[in-house]
Amino acid sequence: AQSVTQPDIHITVSEGASLELRCNYSYGATPYLFWYVQSPGQGLQLLLKYFSGDTLVQGIKGFEAEFKRSQSSFNLRKPSVHWSDAAEYFCAVAAYSGAGSYQLTFGKGTKLSVIP
Amino acid sequence: DAGVTQSPTHLIKTRGQQVTLRCSPKSGHDTVSWYQQALGQGPQFIFQYYEEEERQRGNFPDRFSGHQFPNYSSELNVNALLLGDSALYLCASSLALGEAYNEQFFGPGTRLTVL
Repeated sequence: AQSVTQPDIHITVSEGASLELRCNYSYGATPYLFWYVQSPGQGLQLLLKYFSGDTLVQGIKGFEAEFKRSQSSFNLRKPSVHWSDAAEYFCAVAAYSGAGSYQLTFGKGTKLSVIP
Repeated sequence: DAGVTQSPTHLIKTRGQQVTLRCSPKSGHDTVSWYQQALGQGPQFIFQYYEEEERQRGNFPDRFSGHQFPNYSSELNVNALLLGDSALYLCASSLALGEAYNEQFFGPGTRLTVL
């Protein structure tokens, strides 16, 4: 079965500093990988996704992520964090279960706090 | 174009009661998935509905059931509520594209509190 691990429960960075959130996955086939962001009281918003091709993917709000098959990782990065980036971030993998059906499996999330 | 909508926003129930949550998918979408997000956890897949049938199910007991209507909207029903059912319930909609993955769009969720 597929799984996602986000080793950092909570990260605090200063505004303007760079950010890297870690994600490791376990899945037997080529993974479809995602990063979502969730602000308090809100649903999930897709930041970026990796299906195939270039292993460095660009997303919204200045985020990017790099897929490394050898390390089973899909880490999220941003060169300069803004106060509005404070939220919870979830990494997810989509597993195909047949008949056109995909199931998203999420990590437990990383809460990002930003110091002014 | 309205996105995924869910109702109600919040509700409070007591143990043993039954609850129904509702979801309207994004316009043009025909597939609805439900997720449970407990406090401090990532969302966990409950089940997915397509063509008014449950197509896939996660590791949840039979107390969790659902329905999809001809207009693609969906309901999640939970019977015999337990304290542990307290969570944010998220609905996501997508458009079935054969074997190709299509993005799931999430609603704002329903916060269920069981006392």
